Amino acid sequence: GENVEQHPSTLSVQEGDSAVIKCTYSDSASNYFPWYKQELGKGPQLIIDIRSNVGEKKDQRIAVTLNKTAKHFSLHITETQPEDSAVYFCAPTDGDYKLSFGAGTTVTVRA
Amino acid sequence: DTAVSQTPKYLVTQMGNDKSIKCEQNLGHDTMYWYKQDSKKFLKIMFSYNNKELIINETVPNRFSPKSPDKAHLNLHINSLELGDSAVYFCASSRATENQPQHFGDGTRLSIL
Repeated sequence: GENVEQHPSTLSVQEGDSAVIKCTYSDSASNYFPWYKQELGKGPQLIIDIRSNVGEKKDQRIAVTLNKTAKHFSLHITETQPEDSAVYFCAPTDGDYKLSFGAGTTVTVRA
Repeated sequence: DTAVSQTPKYLVTQMGNDKSIKCEQNLGHDTMYWYKQDSKKFLKIMFSYNNKELIINETVPNRFSPKSPDKAHLNLHINSLELGDSAVYFCASSRATENQPQHFGDGTRLSIL
């Protein structure tokens, strides 16, 4: 099965600063790399994803970069805002419908 | 207009009881899932159904039985509840093709007394 490690487990940033979360996976067959955001009392919601034929994808203040050779991908959030405070999960998969979630990163944006 | 809805939101019950959680999606998806999130926020898939057929069945005690009456519904029945079953259970759905985003409900918090 897929082994997924996510770092850091907690991240505190000043509002306006950037945040970066890294996800390392073990299965070289993984070809889909989503990031989910979970707010308190809610279910995880997809915020950005990338497929294995692309190295980087950006959507406004968030971006994902993929290094397939090194088997890791990262979430980048720029100009952080209080509403970015949440738990973020990476969930790589090799296309068998089974998302392998990382342990999560709790992000706190300080005003 | 909720996309994936679960009921109940909270479930408090005694050890040994049997309970059910219901899930419905109005996104027209063919694939539905049940996940368990423990107290440390770790999310693990339990089951997945594709068009009413079971396609994923992780190592879950057979006290847990999913039922899909149609492709818009996936219910979870749990027999003989144990203390270790306390968790948040999430239902999700997606399109049936590979590598599609999964849409999650807001969870059912199950507490066993």
